Amino acid sequence: DAGVIQSPRHEVTEMGQEVTLRCKPISGHDYLFWYRQTMMRGLELLIYFNNNVPIDDSGMPEDRFSAKMPNASFSTLKIQPSEPRDSAVYFCASRSPTSGSSYNEQFFGPGTRLTVL
Amino acid sequence: GENVEQHPSTLSVQEGDSAVIKCTYSDSASNYFPWYKQELGKGPQLIIDIRSNVGEKKDQRIAVTLNKTAKHFSLHITETQPEDSAVYFCAAKTGNQFYFGTGTSLTVIP
Repeated sequence: DAGVIQSPRHEVTEMGQEVTLRCKPISGHDYLFWYRQTMMRGLELLIYFNNNVPIDDSGMPEDRFSAKMPNASFSTLKIQPSEPRDSAVYFCASRSPTSGSSYNEQFFGPGTRLTVL
Repeated sequence: GENVEQHPSTLSVQEGDSAVIKCTYSDSASNYFPWYKQELGKGPQLIIDIRSNVGEKKDQRIAVTLNKTAKHFSLHITETQPEDSAVYFCAAKTGNQFYFGTGTSLTVIP
């Protein structure tokens, strides 16, 4: 398996522009998480899905942020309009289902480094 | 909600020495405790984990211990090597959410 795939790896945009980050989870994983990492705040959970359904979006900072998971193999995180304070590394992670020896293991993608000018 | 504290924030050791990173958690309902290694420019990588019904787990040079009564768990790396240099994060899982420590930057000096 290729692991969790994220695109783009780097994104530079200007304030006010729309940004869309993409994630393909590991096949067979039923949970998908979006995190944001900054020096000041560390790793923050933004939202997570179970079987494509958003379960908890309490970490989404503002209405400017939205996330979707139209199917089991794809999710997007959108920021509209983007602001300089949104600059961070955004990680997607997926978690294996509770079965056998793969209990609770969460695997991260390589991240998208977002810079908003 | 869960609160995970991690210490130290930075750690330097000589190659071959051991390194210990400690975490505490607050929610007794937490039942799974993974450790992640993050190298520069990469995502966190799961290196070892422990469930709440186990006190210790070892995988070659790394080991994790868990004290449920005291609500703390630790990562032990023995015979450290330069390639162990990275940021290490502990986490605690409560329900379906993972709560992360603030990270420890480990430097192994050759």
